[in-house]
Amino acid sequence: GAGVSQTPSNKVTEKGKYVELRCDPISGHTALYWYRQSLGQGPEFLIYFQGTGAADDSGLPNDRFFAVRPEGSVSTLKIQRTERGDSAVYLCASSLGTSPLVEQFFGPGTRLTVL
Amino acid sequence: DAKTTQPNSMESNEEEPVHLPCNHSTISGTDYIHWYRQLPSQGPEYVIHGLTSNVNNRMASLAIAEDRKSSTLILHRATLRDAAVYYCILRDVEDDKIIFGKGTRLHILP
Repeated sequence: GAGVSQTPSNKVTEKGKYVELRCDPISGHTALYWYRQSLGQGPEFLIYFQGTGAADDSGLPNDRFFAVRPEGSVSTLKIQRTERGDSAVYLCASSLGTSPLVEQFFGPGTRLTVL
Repeated sequence: DAKTTQPNSMESNEEEPVHLPCNHSTISGTDYIHWYRQLPSQGPEYVIHGLTSNVNNRMASLAIAEDRKSSTLILHRATLRDAAVYYCILRDVEDDKIIFGKGTRLHILP
């Protein structure tokens, strides 16, 4: 079956621009997570949704970052006024729930480069 | 959050078993031990998890020390495709998200 997909796979933008990154989770998965991964580091949690609502956004670095999941399926991560330090791979994951007994399925990521 | 300690990198020969160690001396009674791995240019993928007893699945085995302060991920016969970063993670039964460390980069030598 189809896994988690993310678009675009690569995004190059200029400092100060606005970007949107999209995540299509596995059908039926209620939980959706966003992570950010810098070179040589493990993924860093940003935000997760249970259904349509953001259940935990404690990992968002500042108010330039925002995410939505209006219909409880597709999610969009939005970054305003991008900075060079935002360059990273942005990973999305989905799961049937949030229990630690349930595995998370990750997408291939979107590589964001801010020039 | 309880933390884990893993070696930065390890090497192993192809077709030999690999034992990846993880220390978690501050583990609590409700922490599950999870392993994920990340192949080059891919997102992480689930490998295995356990609580107290050793676990086996098609990908690997998880050996958990009796005091639960350490565990070992065992790949029984490594292939070149197993070259990846392996993350050992603790998740409390109440945890709703994964906190990744830096993991162990496993190199497989042909």
